[in-house]
Amino acid sequence: GEDVEQSLFLSVREGDSSVINCTYTDSSSTYLYWYKQEPGAGLQLLTYIFSNMDMKQDQRLTVLLNKKDKHLSLRIADTQTGDSAIYFCAEPSDTGRRALTFGSGTRLQVQP
Amino acid sequence: ETGVTQTPRHLVMGMTNKKSLKCEQHLGHNAMYWYKQSAKKPLELMFVYNFKEQTENNSVPSRFSPECPNSSHLFLHLHTLQPEDSALYLCASSQEWGTSGMMETQYFGPGTRLLVL
Repeated sequence: GEDVEQSLFLSVREGDSSVINCTYTDSSSTYLYWYKQEPGAGLQLLTYIFSNMDMKQDQRLTVLLNKKDKHLSLRIADTQTGDSAIYFCAEPSDTGRRALTFGSGTRLQVQP
Repeated sequence: ETGVTQTPRHLVMGMTNKKSLKCEQHLGHNAMYWYKQSAKKPLELMFVYNFKEQTENNSVPSRFSPECPNSSHLFLHLHTLQPEDSALYLCASSQEWGTSGMMETQYFGPGTRLLVL
């Protein structure tokens, strides 16, 4: 079966870098996603990476993909208090159910 | 309006009530989804509609009844719910369903926070 795993909690100081990690199981995933959920809100697509890439940078966000280890990470540089949220890793579900499988989410707390 | 909207944002209902959740997308997408997010479980896919046809029912109890009259609107009709059905119900849409690649990128609404008493 498919499983996307994330650590549940991360606390950093404002201005530091945050690294949120995710492991996934489906090696045939074409895209992998990061979503952000702020308190009381729905999920916001943050960024994505195509499976033939190792790294993608988008302003303060850097996504690293290690296909061999099926490991995905999201690095947030110069973390701000507004980055406090839950971050979900997601991959397309396995064949037969073409939806997204989400991890349980990592709650990022940014200390001022 | 743009994006994916959901109404109501909050709903409190008794176990004998009947209510409906509404989702509307303004993105020109063809696939729409209902997800359940509860405190103790990861995001759970409930239903998928592609071009108004239901293509996925993830073993959801019959007290949840979806309806998709057109590609822009999705409803979730609720009746005789249980307290354990209290959760955040999220609607999402994507350009299409069943393909690989960016077609699957899903855009979410803000959710309806449901409390069943």
